[in-house]
Amino acid sequence: EAQVTQNPRYLITVTGKKLTVTCSQNMNHEYMSWYRQDPGLGLRQIYYSMNVEVTDKGDVPEGYKVSRKEKRNFPLILESPSPNQTSLYFCASSFIAGGMTDTQYFGPGTRLTVL
Amino acid sequence: KNQVEQSPQSLIILEGKNCTLQCNYTVSPFSNLRWYKQDTGRGPVSLTIMTFSENTKSNGRYTATLDADTKQSSLHITASQLSDSASYICVVEGSQGNLIFGKGTKLSVKP
Repeated sequence: EAQVTQNPRYLITVTGKKLTVTCSQNMNHEYMSWYRQDPGLGLRQIYYSMNVEVTDKGDVPEGYKVSRKEKRNFPLILESPSPNQTSLYFCASSFIAGGMTDTQYFGPGTRLTVL
Repeated sequence: KNQVEQSPQSLIILEGKNCTLQCNYTVSPFSNLRWYKQDTGRGPVSLTIMTFSENTKSNGRYTATLDADTKQSSLHITASQLSDSASYICVVEGSQGNLIFGKGTKLSVKP
C-alpha cells in the first residue's frame, strides 16, 4: 500500500532532550517535506527536499534539522526541543513533474509535547 | 511577503446546499495553487491542483477556479454532504518548491 509513515505518532518529552521524528515513503517520490500545524496558524512548512542530499528551509526552520540521505527517508531532528515546538507535525511526499510538485501525500501526523 | 489568505474563517451550511470558499494570494513567483481537505487530526488530502494557465478544475462535487491576474481562487462545493465537514486549505507553491498555506476555512455541514 502506498503510504507515508511517521514515527512516533505521539511523543511527550522534556526541554533540551534531543529527539528525532522519522518519516518514510514507499512511492519513490523525489519531494519530501515537513510541516507543523498550530491552532490559529494553520500549516507551516519547516524544511523540504527536492531530492537526495538536497534540502531547503521553509517558513519556520529555526530549531529543526533534517537530512535526506536516502530517497525514502526524511527524518526531522530537534537538537534541543523547547516548549514552543509543541505542535502537530506532518510529513508529506510527492513526485516532481514539470518543475513543480505533484499531488502531496501526507503522513498521519506526530503530536509532540515538550514540557 | 508571500501570503495566502482565506475567507471565511468558518462556515455553517445545511446538507444539500452549495457553498464557495475564497482564497487570495500574494505569492510570487507562482507555480501552482492547490486545495486540500483536512479532517480533524488527520493529514490533508489533495482535492485539486491548478497551474497559472488553468482557470478551473473539478474533482467530483468540488470545483476550483483560478484567476492568476487578480491572484484569487475559489473552491465551490455542490450539494454538500455531512462528510464534507472539514477544514479546506488553499496552498500556493512558489517557484523554488516552497509551499505557503492559508489558515483554512472550517466548514460544518448540518443535517
